[in-house]
Amino acid sequence: DSGVTQTPKHLITATGQRVTLRCSPRSGDLSVYWYQQSLDQGLQFLIQYYNGEERAKGNILERFSAQQFPDLHSELNLSSLELGDSALYFCASSVASANYGYTFGSGTRLTVV
Amino acid sequence: TQLLEQSPQFLSIQEGENLTVYCNSSSVFSSLQWYRQEPGEGPVLLVTVVTGGEVKKLKRLTFQFGDARKDSSLHITAAQPGDTGLYLCAGPDSSYKLIFGSGTRLLVRP
Repeated sequence: DSGVTQTPKHLITATGQRVTLRCSPRSGDLSVYWYQQSLDQGLQFLIQYYNGEERAKGNILERFSAQQFPDLHSELNLSSLELGDSALYFCASSVASANYGYTFGSGTRLTVV
Repeated sequence: TQLLEQSPQFLSIQEGENLTVYCNSSSVFSSLQWYRQEPGEGPVLLVTVVTGGEVKKLKRLTFQFGDARKDSSLHITAAQPGDTGLYLCAGPDSSYKLIFGSGTRLLVRP
C-alpha cells in the first residue's frame, strides 16, 4: 500500500456519460497530481493541486475538471466521455514540489464503450 | 518544452544477462528519477539522482546521472524475472511537475 488511495479501481461506462475519480493523498502530502496513461501516449500530465489551489495545468481537455478539497482529497471529473478517453488515470502526491519524487496510487482503469 | 527520451522501448532478455536503459534530453534537469511500473499498478519510485555524475546503487541496479545533468542510465546486473516491468525516467520541469519518458518495457525470461 503506497498510501495514496484511488477509487474506483475499474470503471466501465458508455459514451456521453460523466464519471468522477477520487484520490486521497498520502498523509502529510499537500500536492496532488493527475496523470493519464494510455498505451501509445505514456504518462501525460493533466493537472496539479497544492493545498487546495490549482498550481499547474497540462493538456487537460475542457470536458475534464478537477478540484482538491479542504481535507486534501481530490476528484477528477470526466464528462461527455468518448471512446478515446479510455485509459488508466493515476493520482500521485508529494510533500510539496516534485523534486524528490511522487507516490502514486494504483490507478483507475476507465473503459468507455 | 522539456522532453525525455528513453531507449530502448522494448527489451527481452534471458535471466542472468546484464542490460542498460537510457534516458536522454537536450535540457538540463535539476534531478532525474527512475520508476518501475508493474501491470495494473502505479509507478513506484526507485531512485532520485541530483548531482551531475552521481552514481547510486540499489542492489543489482545502478543509476547514473550525466555530468551535464541532461541524461541518466539504469544498469541491471544479472537480471531476474522479478525485474520485469516498465521502467520510466522522470524529471521536474520549469513549473516543478514531473514529466515522464515514454518508458522501457523489460521482459526477463526464466
